[in-house]
Formats: sequence, C-alpha cells, structure tokens
Amino acid sequence: QKEVEQNSGPLSVPEGAIASLNCTYSDRGSQSFFWYRQYSGKSPELIMSIYSNGDKEDGRFTAQLNKASQYVSLLIRDSQPSDSATYLCAVYGGATNKLIFGTGTLLAVQP
Amino acid sequence: SQTIHQWPATLVQPVGSPLSLECTVEGTSNPNLYWYRQAAGRGLQLLFYSVGIGQISSEVPQNLSASRPQDRQFILSSKKLLLSDSGFYLCACTHGGTRSTDTQYFGPGTRLTVL
Repeated sequence: QKEVEQNSGPLSVPEGAIASLNCTYSDRGSQSFFWYRQYSGKSPELIMSIYSNGDKEDGRFTAQLNKASQYVSLLIRDSQPSDSATYLCAVYGGATNKLIFGTGTLLAVQP
Repeated sequence: SQTIHQWPATLVQPVGSPLSLECTVEGTSNPNLYWYRQAAGRGLQLLFYSVGIGQISSEVPQNLSASRPQDRQFILSSKKLLLSDSGFYLCACTHGGTRSTDTQYFGPGTRLTVL
C-alpha cells in the first residue's frame, strides 16, 4: 500500500463546475496535510494546508480532512481553465518524520 | 516571505560527468532545506534534507551528495552521473525556526537530462 494515494486522472470538469480531488494516506500518526498545484514543467506551489479535522476554506478552494477515515480532499469551486494542472497531496507522516507526496491528480477544466 | 533561487534552470550532461546544482534562499534565516527529485511520471522523492550548516541527512542511497556550506545555501552534487539521474530537481525550504512538520515551499527547479 502506498503511503499517500491519489487517482492519477485525468479528472475532466466543465468550466464553472466543482472539481473534487481526493487523497488517502496510510499513517494514522500523520499531523500535517498539504495541497500543491503543479503546472506542466513548473515547480509545485502551495494551495492550502490543513491540520485539524473538518473544512478549511480559502477563496474558491476548500480542503477537507477526516483523520478517522484517513483521507483529505480538495474542492475547487467555479473551476476555471487556469486551474488545469496536476494537484499533489502531501502528508507529513508521524512514523516517517518526513513529507510524503502522492503522485498527483491531473485536472483538466474544459472551457 | 522567502524566495528560493535554483540554477541552472536546465542542464544536459553526458553519463559519467560531474554535477553541481545550487539552491539559495532569501528572506528567512536558519531554514530547513530539502532536495527532491521528480522523475517523469513519478512522484516527488526526497533525496536530502538539512536542519543547519554542515548537517545533512540522506534519504536514499545513491551516487548523489549534498552540502550546506552556508545557512541559506544548499548544493547537490555527483561525481559521475547515471542515466537514472535524469529528472526535475527541486529545492524546498521551511521558514527558519519552524517545526519540520510545517509548510515546505519550492524553488523553480532544475531540469536535468543525462545522455
């Protein structure tokens, strides 16, 4: 079992729709959770961090964390073509003491 | 906020040649520094991290090495490159004085092709 799992996609959504990206992790001791966006050929840029169960909203982005079920998700409202990118989930593992990345989900927003 | 510089941006090197990639950080002191590699179609792999000058931890045994000669300078090196060393090399940092669990910010990266 991979430490951090994401569906590779592509996830295709129409412009203006809600994009839902999911991530599961294996280490129950994980403490910190991050979503990064990576455009093709570029480096990852931080979108959101979340540390507690529940929802955290920032503009069009909402991160959701459920530690009991070991998943974290990212919702993008009013998706725009400029949101088309690979979204990386990263989890700071309690056992490994390092930041573990998923392989990313490719999001394609269709105009 | 911090700014991370990496150079060169792209590099094409023959197998067996040496390598030196540099990362410098502005806007923060005593950061934790990290080197990652992202191979085509694969996730980010942590190679090295450093919590201070001269302090390097290696995550994966390989023909690469890292050094931190100054507080905000991190260097990735190799004496002899392998084909498998090709990839996108990313330097990352956390703010100085933060816990290692805190947010990592990435530099622009160096794309290395070994032929």
